[in-house]
Amino acid sequence: ELKVEQNPLFLSMQEGKNYTIYCNYSTTSDRLYWYRQDPGKSLESLFVLLSNGAVKQEGRLMASLDTKARLSTLHITAAVHDLSATYFCAVVYTGTASKLTFGTGTRLQVTL
Amino acid sequence: DGGITQSPKYLFRKEGQNVTLSCEQNLNHDAMYWYRQDPGQGLRLIYYSQIVNDFQKGDIAEGYSVSREKKESFPLTVTSAQKNPTAFYLCASSKSTGTVSYEQYFGPGTRLTVT
Repeated sequence: ELKVEQNPLFLSMQEGKNYTIYCNYSTTSDRLYWYRQDPGKSLESLFVLLSNGAVKQEGRLMASLDTKARLSTLHITAAVHDLSATYFCAVVYTGTASKLTFGTGTRLQVTL
Repeated sequence: DGGITQSPKYLFRKEGQNVTLSCEQNLNHDAMYWYRQDPGQGLRLIYYSQIVNDFQKGDIAEGYSVSREKKESFPLTVTSAQKNPTAFYLCASSKSTGTVSYEQYFGPGTRLTVT
């Protein structure tokens, strides 16, 4: 079964702190995406990770991929309130063309 | 501007009625997708189409139907057979060459409430 698990499901953190969101997936993958979703809105693409060891950074967010461990992380550095949103990872499993399998999401709340 | 449009943004229906959600794209993408999102959950694939006049069931196709008569359009009908139709529906599109994966671009979504 193609599964994608994220943890934690909910994360409350203070401004200025660091934290990591984890995304585990169940079998070989062609690529992995991270998305951001604000309440009631659509998905905004953050990163696409293609190969083992890939690391992408944008502002206070950094994503990495370990294909051997079937694990991706989204690291938040010195969180600010504007980062409050729900973050999803989504995997394209090998042999499924462009079909995305989504994780359940991590709701991030950054408090002042 | 190129993009994906979904209409309406909010839709209210009575139980037992079929309802059609619109999705249009002008990105010249071959592939289009429909997802459903329930509160506090990730997206689940309902149907997808990689080419005009062809589409495949996703993971939760029961109670839904689609058509793909034009490259730009991929309407989703939520039928009365769908047991829990109230949800947020997202349409997406991507380039497609069959086996190669390309990034999906998402529309703004339609929130359907059935009472």
